[in-house]
Amino acid sequence: DVKVTQSSRYLVKRTGEKVFLECVQDMDHENMFWYRQDPGLGLRLIYFSYDVKMKEKGDIPEGYSVSREKKERFSLILESASTNQTSMYLCASSGLGGQHWTGELFFGEGSRLTVL
Amino acid sequence: KQEVTQIPAALSVPEGENLVLNCSFTDSAIYNLQWFRQDPGKGLTSLLLIQSSQREQTSGRLNASLDKSSGRSTLYIAASQPGDSATYLCAVYTQGGSEKLVFGKGTKLTVNP
Repeated sequence: DVKVTQSSRYLVKRTGEKVFLECVQDMDHENMFWYRQDPGLGLRLIYFSYDVKMKEKGDIPEGYSVSREKKERFSLILESASTNQTSMYLCASSGLGGQHWTGELFFGEGSRLTVL
Repeated sequence: KQEVTQIPAALSVPEGENLVLNCSFTDSAIYNLQWFRQDPGKGLTSLLLIQSSQREQTSGRLNASLDKSSGRSTLYIAASQPGDSATYLCAVYTQGGSEKLVFGKGTKLTVNP
């Protein structure tokens, strides 16, 4: 079974702190994604990556950056956390590689971030 | 721009009932459609993936259909159980420049014992 692991299930940070959310997948998938999920707004795509060291902006990239140094790991970085970044963050991966992702999407368990 | 709608937003049924969840999308140029389940505070679990060339997929008590021309998909759950209580989301992978999944906001299902 595909496993997507998010390192932290719950985090509490203070405004202005730098926050790292880590995601690792074990199925050699080329494509990885970061979403945030908020009540009433659904899932919104922050960033995605279809290869090592490659990244593409999603719908709401402002205030976020990402890093993909290894194929299995995709990190989301909040350079200076703000209260409006309090949310559930979901990482996902899919195979059938390259730039055109047609495969099934697999999600991690999510990271609930609270910014005070 | 692709839009995905799931109606109703919430549904409550007695145990044992067969039920249908609906998903509609505005742009029929899709690669595939995927149904997910989400339990409270958890990530999304993939249930069924239907490629654009397929009409339906089945897994256990679940059956998903796809009618691209009308922009609709349904998820049929047979003999519902309290353990089926969760939020069900559909997502479509749209062709074209954006090339990304678009999610519906989900239907929250409660199955009462």
